[in-house]
Amino acid sequence: NAGVTQTPKFRILKIGQSMTLQCTQDMNHNYMYWYRQDPGMGLKLIYYSVGAGITDKGEVPNGYNVSRSTTEDFPLRLELAAPSQTSVYFCASRPDRENTIYFGEGSWLTVV
Amino acid sequence: RKEVEQDPGPFNVPEGATVAFNCTYSNSASQSFFWYRQDCRKEPKLLMSVYSSGNEDGRFTAQLNRASQYISLLIRDSKLSDSATYLCVVEGGGFKTIFGAGTRLFVKA
Repeated sequence: NAGVTQTPKFRILKIGQSMTLQCTQDMNHNYMYWYRQDPGMGLKLIYYSVGAGITDKGEVPNGYNVSRSTTEDFPLRLELAAPSQTSVYFCASRPDRENTIYFGEGSWLTVV
Repeated sequence: RKEVEQDPGPFNVPEGATVAFNCTYSNSASQSFFWYRQDCRKEPKLLMSVYSSGNEDGRFTAQLNRASQYISLLIRDSKLSDSATYLCVVEGGGFKTIFGAGTRLFVKA
């Protein structure tokens, strides 16, 4: 029962470095999401995708890029990491006709 | 104006109390509404969907008022295990799903 898998779980980046957060789901869900959650705050939508080849901006897309070449994978790219991107990142997916969003366990990112 | 706004909390209540959380949303075209629960350092999990007719799941009751763009969650007979952050979630067109900032609940013995 893999569900939504995110890697890495923890990462420390230096300012200006780049990295990709990987997300994969094995449930054949069309809808996938990337959220960030700052300490003591709610989740903010970065990007989302309604199917392979289709992505759209959420509430806070600046500084990030995504791609959706397959149904399973939805990687999040950080270019030129900044301290403001220190956060917990959650990837999630959702089937077409269900209300439940399935989350990964989160990726803790610190930019120093 | 934020798309989804919630009571800031935290709410500190004794066991057995009834507590209510409110949430407002700005997009009148929003189509679906939910409450999620998030435990500390964990991912959010669906608590319940919210319908115009209201819905109840054990001690939890959710209400939706589309005219006022307002959602509520009522928890009766609070348990220690109810301590968590409760997130109001609104889905607009195109499955753009927006979370509120969350309301923290602490239930004390």
